[in-house]
Amino acid sequence: DTAVSQTPKYLVTQMGNDKSIKCEQNLGHDTMYWYKQDSKKFLKIMFSYNNKELIINETVPNRFSPKSPDKAHLNLHINSLELGDSAVYFCASSLRGNQPQHFGDGTRLSIL
Amino acid sequence: QQQVKQSPQSLIVQKGGISIINCAYENTAFDYFPWYQQFPGKGPALLIAIRPDVSEKKEGRFTISFNKSAKQFSLHIMDSQPGDSATYFCAAAKQGAQKLVFGQGTRLTINP
Repeated sequence: DTAVSQTPKYLVTQMGNDKSIKCEQNLGHDTMYWYKQDSKKFLKIMFSYNNKELIINETVPNRFSPKSPDKAHLNLHINSLELGDSAVYFCASSLRGNQPQHFGDGTRLSIL
Repeated sequence: QQQVKQSPQSLIVQKGGISIINCAYENTAFDYFPWYQQFPGKGPALLIAIRPDVSEKKEGRFTISFNKSAKQFSLHIMDSQPGDSATYFCAAAKQGAQKLVFGQGTRLTINP
């Protein structure tokens, strides 16, 4: 049973396109996160949602828009993709905003 | 500004040896210090974590040593095995805060 699942696992697309990444967790957690891991493997938080409410927005360009239809899902929509958006995006979840956080296996986004 | 500094960037250890990875933090408000293990193509997975009220925590072959006055903590892997080969991340968070701040990662290779 996958605890935090992301789709798709790989995403290859052209610069300027719009794409979405979906995340679902079956752990009963109420807090979900998006992280970006760059080519040097550095992990940085982008957003966190608590019960569908945005809590953290780490100076991410507004081309990135998270959407949480319910507390088990947190999707990431990216408009006008740029070369610098190429990275691995990880979804995570936790209980009541506390630690520990549980991560999905990532979505590798490649911009051509 | 890098709030959590991790070293070394890469480490090669012989099977059966001790692997040691170090981290230093700046923010004295941090009070939760986890270590995550990441295998290629997978998301980070929590390995072990410590809070500053103890100086050491051991789980099997993995030990965290914590020095509050020096604002440093380290991961020791005893009897290192080839299956331990992975990228290790230290991180830090403030109590009640959802944001995990990660170190830069250490690529550990255990030679058989």
